[in-house]
Amino acid sequence: AQTVTQSQPEMSVQEAETVTLSCTYDTSESDYYLFWYKQPPSRQMILVIRQEAYKQQNATENRFSVNFQKAAKSFSLKISDSQLGDAAMYFCAYKPETSGSRLTFGEGTQLTVNP
Amino acid sequence: GAGVSQSPSNKVTEKGKDVELRCDPISGHTALYWYRQRLGQGLEFLIYFQGNSAPDKSGLPSDRFSAERTGESVSTLTIQRTQQEDSAVYLCASSLVPLYPPGDFGSGTRLTVV
Repeated sequence: AQTVTQSQPEMSVQEAETVTLSCTYDTSESDYYLFWYKQPPSRQMILVIRQEAYKQQNATENRFSVNFQKAAKSFSLKISDSQLGDAAMYFCAYKPETSGSRLTFGEGTQLTVNP
Repeated sequence: GAGVSQSPSNKVTEKGKDVELRCDPISGHTALYWYRQRLGQGLEFLIYFQGNSAPDKSGLPSDRFSAERTGESVSTLTIQRTQQEDSAVYLCASSLVPLYPPGDFGSGTRLTVV
């Protein structure tokens, strides 16, 4: 069974600084996708960034980037120039290419941004 | 247009009662997902609808849970004989592309069973 682990229940960062959120996963699949979602207090999940396992290049979306280490099954999220609006719960998620509909989520990391 | 809309936003019900949760997906989105989020935890997949295909019900935790969707319109998630462990936020999401990871979520229904 696939599992996703986020070992940091809480993280904090100063405004304008950089923070890295960790995620590891366990799978026997070779083709899959990885995602980071953001959940602010409004509860509405927002897709932040995605990574296809077959791509060696790390995905980047503006201030958000990932460090994807396939052999280590690690998928960390780096937030640069942190802003107050980045404060939220962040979830790492995994989807094998063959699974169809099912995403497996980690338990989340609560990020606080201090002014 | 509007995003994914869920109602009610909050629901308190007595143990043993049935509840119905509603999701209005984004117009034109063929795929619709239901997830459950218990307090302090990640999302658990419940069910997936794609057009008129048979839904993927593999995440439904018991036969007290059921969901319906007609075509590409509104979906309802029904929980019969609610139990305290059903207390959670129920999130709905829709996607334009089948099997694509959901990028558009509603704000959820917080269900509290007392």
